[in-house]
Amino acid sequence: DAGVTQSPTHLIKTRGQQVTLRCSPKSGHDTVSWYQQALGQGPQFIFQYYEEEERQRGNFPDRFSGHQFPNYSSELNVNALLLGDSALYLCASSQDGFGELFFGEGSRLTVL
Amino acid sequence: GEDVEQSLFLSVREGDSSVINCTYTDSSSTYLYWYKQEPGAGLQLLTYIFSNMDMKQDQRLTVLLNKKDKHLSLRIADTQTGDSAIYFCAEIYTNAGKSTFGDGTTLTVKP
Repeated sequence: DAGVTQSPTHLIKTRGQQVTLRCSPKSGHDTVSWYQQALGQGPQFIFQYYEEEERQRGNFPDRFSGHQFPNYSSELNVNALLLGDSALYLCASSQDGFGELFFGEGSRLTVL
Repeated sequence: GEDVEQSLFLSVREGDSSVINCTYTDSSSTYLYWYKQEPGAGLQLLTYIFSNMDMKQDQRLTVLLNKKDKHLSLRIADTQTGDSAIYFCAEIYTNAGKSTFGDGTTLTVKP
């Protein structure tokens, strides 16, 4: 049973570019949440997708957007990248109504 | 607003017990979690407790929750060198939605 998988594992972008990160949830899970983890800090909640809609959102600008597909996989898009967007982006999945939240290994984004 | 505080560092000897503490401010959270993160890796779910529970034990792990003081602790019995990692406390709301993580406690286990 595969856990949460994310791609790519590492990527480098320059300021102003756009990036798309991908996530496949754990089997049986229908809800995907995205987090940003800066170096030396805990994960910060970006948003959560359920039934292909954004259900909850943290304090992140509109440059951060997402999508959930009918197979429950999800994408995180970040436009107009800033140096401060450099971080580990974590995807977590859960089953609606249940609290267990499982994380992937993350995508490490470096913005130069 | 929501805030989760943890001490930054803890160092113990192999075989001793480790106790990692966490305080939180929002009493409306549904679940309180402990995650482990090793260098370069994602977060591994260790255990969690419902906010209406006081204690949960899972093998070497014991979670204690003091709702009055909004204090959560994780005790690791017989700590091993493989337990060296960063441990995150988190409060998570119904449907595992908006959540708040602490900045992590780095546990170092010395042989």
